[in-house]
Amino acid sequence: DAGVIQSPRHEVTEMGQEVTLRCKPISGHNSLFWYRQTMMRGLELLIYFNNNVPIDDSGMPEDRFSAKMPNASFSTLKIQPSEPRDSAVYFCASSLLAGDGQETQYFGPGTRLLVL
Amino acid sequence: GQNIDQPTEMTATEGAIVQINCTYQTSGFNGLFWYQQHAGEAPTFLSYNVLDGLEEKGRFSSFLSRSKGYSYLLLKELQMKDSASYLCAAHNAGNMLTFGGGTRLMVKP
Repeated sequence: DAGVIQSPRHEVTEMGQEVTLRCKPISGHNSLFWYRQTMMRGLELLIYFNNNVPIDDSGMPEDRFSAKMPNASFSTLKIQPSEPRDSAVYFCASSLLAGDGQETQYFGPGTRLLVL
Repeated sequence: GQNIDQPTEMTATEGAIVQINCTYQTSGFNGLFWYQQHAGEAPTFLSYNVLDGLEEKGRFSSFLSRSKGYSYLLLKELQMKDSASYLCAAHNAGNMLTFGGGTRLMVKP
């Protein structure tokens, strides 16, 4: 069974360019999370979707960041325009919200973003 | 607000036992997750505690005290491959995780 799939795995871009990160959650999962990880700030939640609807986007740093989930099997995180301080590893995770209290999140391999 | 604290680094010897502590202050607490993250890889699920007490899973055990806002991860018979970061995360009623900064464990021969 395939896990969470993310693309691209690595992205190098120049300041001011648009960056789009993609995620395919585990089939059957109904919750999707975007995280950012840096040495300084650790693993931070950016946005959380449930049944394709954004539930909490309080972690999105600013208007340059946007996320969409057009269907149950695909989500994007877009940064426009990108800045050097956006350099980080971006993880997507998914879980099954079934009301049993656990809802383990499974992480994708991440996208390493470097903005020059 | 949410606050999760764990030591930044720990060192232990192969074959030994190590305990990684985590304290948390969070609203709407459901339970406590532990994840393992090797360098350059994604976090992978280790354990989830909802009730107070110790849960054992092979060489790894996890403990939770809800009244004290405290958890620990116990690793026995340490192996070199256990060198990794260990992240504790509080699970809240909104189905979100708040992660600690992670504890980098170095296992030496």
